[in-house]
Amino acid sequence: GENVEQHPSTLSVQEGDSAVIKCTYSDSASNYFPWYKQELGKRPQLIIDIRSNVGEKKDQRIAVTLNKTAKHFSLHITETQPEDSAVYFCAASRDDKIIFGKGTRLHILP
Amino acid sequence: EAQVTQNPRYLITVTGKKLTVTCSQNMNHEYMSWYRQDPGLGLRQIYYSMNVEVTDKGDVPEGYKVSRKEKRNFPLILESPSPNQTSLYFCASSLRAGVVGGELFFGEGSRLTVL
Repeated sequence: GENVEQHPSTLSVQEGDSAVIKCTYSDSASNYFPWYKQELGKRPQLIIDIRSNVGEKKDQRIAVTLNKTAKHFSLHITETQPEDSAVYFCAASRDDKIIFGKGTRLHILP
Repeated sequence: EAQVTQNPRYLITVTGKKLTVTCSQNMNHEYMSWYRQDPGLGLRQIYYSMNVEVTDKGDVPEGYKVSRKEKRNFPLILESPSPNQTSLYFCASSLRAGVVGGELFFGEGSRLTVL
């Protein structure tokens, strides 16, 4: 079955700097790759997603890239702000199942 | 307001006492699923349902049951809870599964402790 590896598990960056979180997946049938943000004590919420026919997608300070050949995708956050502090989950999905990575705890340092 | 509602939000129970966590969505979504969240392990899928009367196992189904008799409801049943089922549980729904369905909408979570 699908396996999603996410790195790093913890990431600390200075406010204003960029953060990059990387994920790899194993099932070549996966065709949808969402990213969820979970603030402390809250539910996960979708922040950006990418489909397998697209290589890159951007939404303001957030971007996601996908390399289907290498089976990896990454989340890029530029100009980080305190409100970016949270746990971020990548996921890989095909038509029925969705598998999440183990999460990255992002700390934004003042 | 579009939402996924779980109950109870918090529960402490004892080993072996059957319990049900309810989940209801008001968005007419076809796809519903249950996850458990444990420190360092992320979100692991327990069961999912593609539509009414269609359910399937996720990655960690042992010790759990589900049913999907109505489109809006997807209860999670622990027939004989054990301490290793102590966890934070999330129900989620989407229009359909995968790339067609898009965004998963999560409930607020149910924190279960089994003594």
